[in-house]
Amino acid sequence: SQTIHQWPATLVQPVGSPLSLECTVEGTSNPNLYWYRQAAGRGLQLLFYSVGIGQISSEVPQNLSASRPQDRQFILSSKKLLLSDSGFYLCAWSVGAVYEQYFGPGTRLTVT
Amino acid sequence: TQLLEQSPQFLSIQEGENLTVYCNSSSVFSSLQWYRQEPGEGPVLLVTVVTGGEVKKLKRLTFQFGDARKDSSLHITAAQPGDTGLYLCAGGSNFGNEKLTFGTGTRLTIIP
Repeated sequence: SQTIHQWPATLVQPVGSPLSLECTVEGTSNPNLYWYRQAAGRGLQLLFYSVGIGQISSEVPQNLSASRPQDRQFILSSKKLLLSDSGFYLCAWSVGAVYEQYFGPGTRLTVT
Repeated sequence: TQLLEQSPQFLSIQEGENLTVYCNSSSVFSSLQWYRQEPGEGPVLLVTVVTGGEVKKLKRLTFQFGDARKDSSLHITAAQPGDTGLYLCAGGSNFGNEKLTFGTGTRLTIIP
């Protein structure tokens, strides 16, 4: 069966510090991978998605970036965090024509 | 830009009551999915509908896709406290686009 891992689960970082969030998927090959951010109790904002190694599409201009160094690994990064980067970050994967997405447990990021 | 509006935004009802949540758009979608999210966790896929007019039942939950594939509804019969959560609809397009458009969310609270 497929599983998706995200770490860390929670993170508190000062403004201006770097960020690296990691997501890995097991049990499937060549998945589409996604990074979302969610404000408290709200819907999901798509940040980046990837259909293959090294292929990244950005949805929202910001100080975040994403990379996919391996087929089942997706990394979200920032060189300098802003207060507005605080939120709940979710990674998801999908395969198939209807693009049903399966989410990881999320990372709660607080920028202070 | 495709948008999915959910209503109501918040809903609080007594255990045992029935409820309906709506997901509406002016755009046509090839598929429509419903997710439930509990606090601090990632969304979990409940159902996917792909045919206009399709109805799917999952125990006490009934999902319907509009005939024109622009809207959907989720009906819960005899709500239970375990139904509490954030309900998200998401629409997919198969025109060479691997992204889902997520709705604005409905926060449901079932009072014991």
